[in-house]
Amino acid sequence: EVQLVETGGGLVQPGRSLKLSCVASGFTFNNYWMSWTRQAPGKGLEWVASITNSGGSTYYPDSVKGRFTISRDNAQNTLYLQMNSLRSEDTATYYCTRGRYLRDFDYWGQGVMVTVSS
Amino acid sequence: DIQMTQSPSLLSASVGDRVTINCKASQNINKYLNWYQQKLGEAPKLLIYNTNNLQTGIPSRFSGSGSGTDYTLTISSLQPEDFGTYFCFQHNSWPLTFGSGTKLEIK
Repeated sequence: EVQLVETGGGLVQPGRSLKLSCVASGFTFNNYWMSWTRQAPGKGLEWVASITNSGGSTYYPDSVKGRFTISRDNAQNTLYLQMNSLRSEDTATYYCTRGRYLRDFDYWGQGVMVTVSS
Repeated sequence: DIQMTQSPSLLSASVGDRVTINCKASQNINKYLNWYQQKLGEAPKLLIYNTNNLQTGIPSRFSGSGSGTDYTLTISSLQPEDFGTYFCFQHNSWPLTFGSGTKLEIK
Protein backbone atom coordinates (compact mmCIF):
# COMPACT_ATOMS: atom_id res chain seq x y z
CA GLU A 1 0.00 0.00 0.00
CA VAL A 2 1.35 3.41 -1.01
CA GLN A 3 1.76 5.73 1.96
CA LEU A 4 3.00 9.30 2.09
CA VAL A 5 3.36 10.87 5.53
CA GLU A 6 4.18 14.56 5.84
CA THR A 7 5.65 16.20 8.91
CA GLY A 8 7.21 19.50 9.86
CA GLY A 9 4.31 21.91 9.66
CA GLY A 10 3.39 24.51 12.22
CA LEU A 11 3.17 28.19 13.02
CA VAL A 12 6.01 30.37 11.76
CA GLN A 13 6.58 34.12 11.60
CA PRO A 14 6.76 35.95 8.27
CA GLY A 15 10.27 35.95 6.86
CA ARG A 16 11.30 32.80 8.72
CA SER A 17 11.98 29.32 7.39
CA LEU A 18 10.44 25.88 7.72
CA LYS A 19 11.31 22.46 6.30
CA LEU A 20 8.69 19.85 5.49
CA SER A 21 9.41 16.13 5.16
CA CYS A 22 7.47 13.35 3.50
CA VAL A 23 8.32 9.72 4.19
CA ALA A 24 7.19 7.35 1.47
CA SER A 25 6.50 3.64 1.70
CA GLY A 26 4.82 0.89 -0.29
CA PHE A 27 6.58 1.60 -3.59
CA THR A 28 10.06 1.95 -5.05
CA PHE A 29 10.67 5.59 -4.20
CA ASN A 30 13.57 6.20 -6.57
CA ASN A 31 11.44 5.22 -9.58
CA TYR A 32 9.03 8.13 -9.22
CA TRP A 33 8.97 11.86 -9.65
CA MET A 34 7.62 13.55 -6.53
CA SER A 35 5.91 16.88 -5.93
CA TRP A 36 4.41 19.22 -3.38
CA THR A 37 1.01 20.82 -3.83
CA ARG A 38 -0.70 23.19 -1.41
CA GLN A 39 -4.18 24.37 -0.58
CA ALA A 40 -4.89 27.60 1.29
CA PRO A 41 -7.78 27.40 3.77
CA GLY A 42 -11.06 27.19 1.86
CA LYS A 43 -9.28 27.65 -1.46
CA GLY A 44 -8.21 25.62 -4.48
CA LEU A 45 -5.08 23.64 -5.21
CA GLU A 46 -1.74 25.11 -6.23
CA TRP A 47 1.25 23.12 -7.45
CA VAL A 48 4.39 24.13 -5.54
CA ALA A 49 7.35 22.05 -6.69
CA SER A 50 8.39 18.88 -8.51
CA ILE A 51 11.58 16.81 -8.59
CA THR A 52 12.68 14.07 -10.95
CA ASN A 53 13.24 10.55 -9.64
CA SER A 54 17.01 11.02 -9.51
CA GLY A 55 16.75 14.48 -7.99
CA GLY A 56 18.69 15.91 -10.90
CA SER A 57 16.02 18.39 -11.97
CA THR A 58 13.54 20.53 -10.08
CA TYR A 59 10.62 22.71 -11.13
CA TYR A 60 8.76 25.57 -9.43
CA PRO A 61 6.05 28.12 -10.19
CA ASP A 62 7.06 31.78 -10.02
CA SER A 63 5.15 32.21 -6.74
CA VAL A 64 7.78 30.19 -4.82
CA LYS A 65 10.82 30.17 -7.10
CA GLY A 66 13.91 31.36 -5.26
CA ARG A 67 12.28 30.86 -1.86
CA PHE A 68 11.38 27.15 -1.81
CA THR A 69 13.66 24.20 -2.53
CA ILE A 70 12.49 20.65 -3.16
CA SER A 71 14.92 17.81 -2.55
CA ARG A 72 14.92 14.09 -1.88
CA ASP A 73 16.95 11.39 -0.18
CA ASN A 74 16.33 8.19 -2.11
CA ALA A 75 18.22 6.11 0.46
CA GLN A 76 15.79 7.27 3.14
CA ASN A 77 12.65 7.31 0.92
CA THR A 78 12.11 10.90 1.97
CA LEU A 79 11.04 14.04 0.13
CA TYR A 80 11.71 17.52 1.50
CA LEU A 81 10.49 21.06 0.99
CA GLN A 82 12.70 23.82 2.38
CA MET A 83 10.64 27.01 2.62
CA ASN A 84 12.48 30.30 3.19
CA SER A 85 11.29 33.90 3.42
CA LEU A 86 7.80 32.73 4.25
CA ARG A 87 4.85 35.03 3.61
CA SER A 88 1.31 35.08 4.91
CA GLU A 89 0.13 33.89 1.50
CA ASP A 90 2.12 30.67 1.98
CA THR A 91 -0.35 29.64 4.69
CA ALA A 92 -1.83 26.37 3.47
CA THR A 93 -2.05 22.64 3.84
CA TYR A 94 0.91 21.14 1.99
CA TYR A 95 0.49 17.78 0.31
CA CYS A 96 3.24 15.41 -0.76
CA THR A 97 2.30 13.71 -4.04
CA ARG A 98 3.69 10.85 -6.09
CA GLY A 99 4.13 11.24 -9.82
CA ARG A 100 1.77 8.97 -11.73
CA TYR A 101 3.77 9.51 -14.91
CA LEU A 102 6.31 12.28 -14.55
CA ARG A 103 4.41 15.51 -13.98
CA ASP A 104 1.00 14.45 -12.75
CA PHE A 105 0.02 12.96 -9.40
CA ASP A 106 -1.67 9.75 -8.33
CA TYR A 107 -1.18 9.33 -4.58
CA TRP A 108 -1.39 12.14 -2.05
CA GLY A 109 -0.36 12.32 1.58
CA GLN A 110 -2.78 13.43 4.28
CA GLY A 111 -1.27 16.92 4.28
CA VAL A 112 0.49 19.11 6.81
CA MET A 113 -0.62 22.59 7.85
CA VAL A 114 1.71 25.57 7.61
CA THR A 115 0.57 28.86 9.13
CA VAL A 116 2.61 32.00 8.52
CA SER A 117 1.62 34.69 10.98
CA SER A 118 3.16 37.06 13.49
CA ASP B 1 0.78 30.11 -17.77
CA ILE B 2 -2.18 27.95 -18.77
CA GLN B 3 -5.39 29.04 -17.06
CA MET B 4 -7.96 26.35 -16.29
CA THR B 5 -11.56 27.55 -16.10
CA GLN B 6 -13.98 25.14 -14.50
CA SER B 7 -17.78 25.28 -14.64
CA PRO B 8 -20.05 25.27 -12.86
CA SER B 9 -18.50 26.27 -9.54
CA LEU B 10 -21.46 24.80 -7.66
CA LEU B 11 -23.68 21.94 -8.72
CA SER B 12 -26.64 20.42 -6.91
CA ALA B 13 -27.99 17.14 -8.25
CA SER B 14 -30.04 14.15 -7.19
CA VAL B 15 -29.02 10.52 -6.79
CA GLY B 16 -29.27 8.84 -10.17
CA ASP B 17 -28.73 12.05 -12.17
CA ARG B 18 -26.22 12.32 -14.96
CA VAL B 19 -23.75 15.04 -14.01
CA THR B 20 -21.31 16.92 -16.20
CA ILE B 21 -18.44 19.18 -15.12
CA ASN B 22 -16.51 21.23 -17.64
CA CYS B 23 -12.96 22.48 -17.78
CA LYS B 24 -11.57 24.87 -20.39
CA ALA B 25 -7.87 25.50 -20.83
CA SER B 26 -6.51 28.81 -22.09
CA GLN B 27 -4.50 26.91 -24.71
CA ASN B 28 -4.21 23.40 -26.13
CA ILE B 29 -3.15 20.94 -23.43
CA ASN B 30 -2.96 17.86 -25.67
CA LYS B 31 -5.26 15.76 -23.48
CA TYR B 32 -2.90 16.02 -20.48
CA LEU B 33 -5.87 16.61 -18.23
CA ASN B 34 -6.65 14.87 -14.95
CA TRP B 35 -9.66 14.99 -12.66
CA TYR B 36 -9.45 14.78 -8.87
CA GLN B 37 -12.16 14.44 -6.23
CA GLN B 38 -11.71 15.94 -2.79
CA LYS B 39 -13.94 15.40 0.21
CA LEU B 40 -13.94 17.76 3.16
CA GLY B 41 -10.87 17.32 5.32
CA GLU B 42 -9.31 14.75 3.00
CA ALA B 43 -6.59 14.73 0.37
CA PRO B 44 -7.62 14.77 -3.28
CA LYS B 45 -8.08 11.46 -5.05
CA LEU B 46 -7.24 10.80 -8.70
CA LEU B 47 -10.27 9.77 -10.75
CA ILE B 48 -9.29 10.20 -14.40
CA TYR B 49 -5.89 10.75 -16.03
CA ASN B 50 -5.01 11.93 -19.52
CA THR B 51 -8.58 12.93 -20.32
CA ASN B 52 -10.30 9.54 -20.39
CA ASN B 53 -8.33 6.92 -18.46
CA LEU B 54 -10.01 5.63 -15.33
CA GLN B 55 -7.67 5.31 -12.36
CA THR B 56 -7.57 1.85 -10.77
CA GLY B 57 -10.37 1.33 -8.28
CA ILE B 58 -12.55 4.19 -9.53
CA PRO B 59 -16.14 3.19 -10.40
CA SER B 60 -17.03 3.04 -14.08
CA ARG B 61 -19.79 5.62 -13.65
CA PHE B 62 -16.97 8.20 -13.87
CA SER B 63 -15.74 9.03 -17.35
CA GLY B 64 -13.83 11.79 -19.08
CA SER B 65 -13.67 13.21 -22.56
CA GLY B 66 -12.30 16.13 -24.49
CA SER B 67 -9.46 17.41 -26.58
CA GLY B 68 -7.63 20.63 -27.34
CA THR B 69 -8.87 23.15 -24.80
CA ASP B 70 -12.22 21.65 -23.73
CA TYR B 71 -12.66 18.75 -21.32
CA THR B 72 -15.55 17.12 -19.47
CA LEU B 73 -15.99 14.87 -16.47
CA THR B 74 -19.23 12.88 -16.47
CA ILE B 75 -20.82 10.90 -13.67
CA SER B 76 -23.38 8.68 -15.36
CA SER B 77 -25.56 7.95 -12.33
CA LEU B 78 -24.81 10.03 -9.26
CA GLN B 79 -24.35 8.17 -6.00
CA PRO B 80 -24.54 9.62 -2.46
CA GLU B 81 -20.82 9.09 -1.95
CA ASP B 82 -19.97 11.28 -4.95
CA PHE B 83 -20.41 14.56 -3.04
CA GLY B 84 -17.32 16.69 -2.76
CA THR B 85 -15.26 19.10 -4.81
CA TYR B 86 -13.87 18.18 -8.22
CA PHE B 87 -10.75 19.74 -9.70
CA CYS B 88 -9.34 19.54 -13.18
CA PHE B 89 -5.56 19.70 -13.61
CA GLN B 90 -3.31 20.21 -16.62
CA HIS B 91 0.13 18.62 -16.83
CA ASN B 92 0.91 19.52 -20.42
CA SER B 93 3.37 22.24 -19.50
CA TRP B 94 5.00 24.12 -16.63
CA PRO B 95 3.70 25.57 -14.44
CA LEU B 96 1.20 22.85 -13.67
CA THR B 97 -2.22 24.35 -12.96
CA PHE B 98 -5.54 23.36 -11.45
CA GLY B 99 -9.05 24.52 -12.11
CA SER B 100 -10.79 26.40 -9.31
CA GLY B 101 -13.05 23.49 -8.46
CA THR B 102 -16.67 22.40 -8.73
CA LYS B 103 -18.51 21.71 -5.50
CA LEU B 104 -21.01 18.91 -6.04
CA GLU B 105 -23.86 18.75 -3.60
CA ILE B 106 -26.35 15.91 -3.39
CA LYS B 107 -29.97 17.06 -3.24
